[in-house]
Amino acid sequence: DQQVKQNSPSLSVQEGRISILNCDYTNSMFDYFLWYKKYPAEGPTFLISISSIKDKNEDGRFTVFLNKSAKHLSLHIVPSQPGDSAVYFCAASATVEGQNFVFGPGTRLSVLP
Amino acid sequence: DSGVTQTPKHLITATGQRVTLRCSPRSGDLSVYWYQQSLDQGLQFLIQYYNGEERAKGNILERFSAQQFPDLHSELNLSSLELGDSALYFCASSVAQGVALNTGELFFGEGSRLTVL
Repeated sequence: DQQVKQNSPSLSVQEGRISILNCDYTNSMFDYFLWYKKYPAEGPTFLISISSIKDKNEDGRFTVFLNKSAKHLSLHIVPSQPGDSAVYFCAASATVEGQNFVFGPGTRLSVLP
Repeated sequence: DSGVTQTPKHLITATGQRVTLRCSPRSGDLSVYWYQQSLDQGLQFLIQYYNGEERAKGNILERFSAQQFPDLHSELNLSSLELGDSALYFCASSVAQGVALNTGELFFGEGSRLTVL
């Protein structure tokens, strides 16, 4: 049973427009969420995180929104740039239970020039 | 460059064989994690070590084992290999047990691609 779901395997967006990547989770104990970006032949790199005590965190062009009641988070990238084309992984952690990070299957974002 | 080093980058072997993947964490990081990424799959957590001790276990097969040495490097041993073990194996490290002090960031290596023929 997947505890972290990213239901869109891929997403295409025009350069300059907004990219919205979605993530749903099932474990109500999760209280820390992260987004990672992965380019081919490289390891995932940390992008942005959010604690469950917040509902929004912003870092430059990247904003993560958390809706705890819906067990849903989203990553907004605006404006999207061709260099943002990568696979984006959502990850969640339940710090009470321990320190394991559970990753979603990823969404491949393509930003078209 | 994340500071996490994994060797080898690529490995091709036959079914039934045994391989060892090696990971050197970032300087100062005490926690090491191993993840498996099969084709078009997400990152599956295998096992975590903290300062030489096993701290958490995920979906790791009994044919797989790992350890973290006193110098904090870690090795993942995969034995009796099957075709389905072909995957990218990532090592990640963090400062503290699980969550880095401020951001909860895991630092990933570039991965070891294992192909079992």
